Amino acid sequence: EPEVTQTPSHQVTQMGQEVILRCVPISNHLYFYWYRQILGQKVEFLVSFYNNEISEKSEIFDDQFSVERPDGSNFTLKIRSTKLEDSAMYFCASSGAREETQYFGPGTRLLVL
Amino acid sequence: KQEVTQIPAALSVPEGENLVLNCSFTDSAIYNLQWFRQDPGKGLTSLLLIQSSQREQTSGRLNASLDKSSGRSTLYIAASQPGDSATYLCAVPYNFNRFYFGSGTKLNVKP
Repeated sequence: EPEVTQTPSHQVTQMGQEVILRCVPISNHLYFYWYRQILGQKVEFLVSFYNNEISEKSEIFDDQFSVERPDGSNFTLKIRSTKLEDSAMYFCASSGAREETQYFGPGTRLLVL
Repeated sequence: KQEVTQIPAALSVPEGENLVLNCSFTDSAIYNLQWFRQDPGKGLTSLLLIQSSQREQTSGRLNASLDKSSGRSTLYIAASQPGDSATYLCAVPYNFNRFYFGSGTKLNVKP
């Protein structure tokens, strides 16, 4: 069964460093999402992406964040200058259409020191 | 903004019980609602997607209902098993393509 994959599974970085989180969505899906979950808290929406552009973004998704679909398979989230409060689990998701089921990847646990 | 509330926050039941998890949301202009399961330290597994035009959706021992006008959804789990122990999350859309999650119900099914 097709699945969403994410790499790396864990990343430790120093405050101020740039990180890129990678996702491979399900191959025929058209809608892509990033979420984050700080330990013990709700899953929070960051951004949705469709037709090679951002369709919605939350207040969390400020200028330090960017997303890209550099080729036909990868979907990346870049954090330009990480802060301690960026430490969280980051989930990628994809769906075939806006109204369809979102499938989540296993997540990348980011720790900023 | 969409506010999503899930009650109860935690639930502990003996194996075999039928149970109901609740999800409420403040903005009823939704096109669907999705229920997920999350195991500790893991990703989210989709359980059921219920479209705004539907009242119910079933998958095995799970049944989800949706009442848009009252801003409520319930997830019914029949004949619970220890393997059902997990956190159950509901998610609703807002605006075009933004999604809000509840805090979840942490379920423990005791053998």
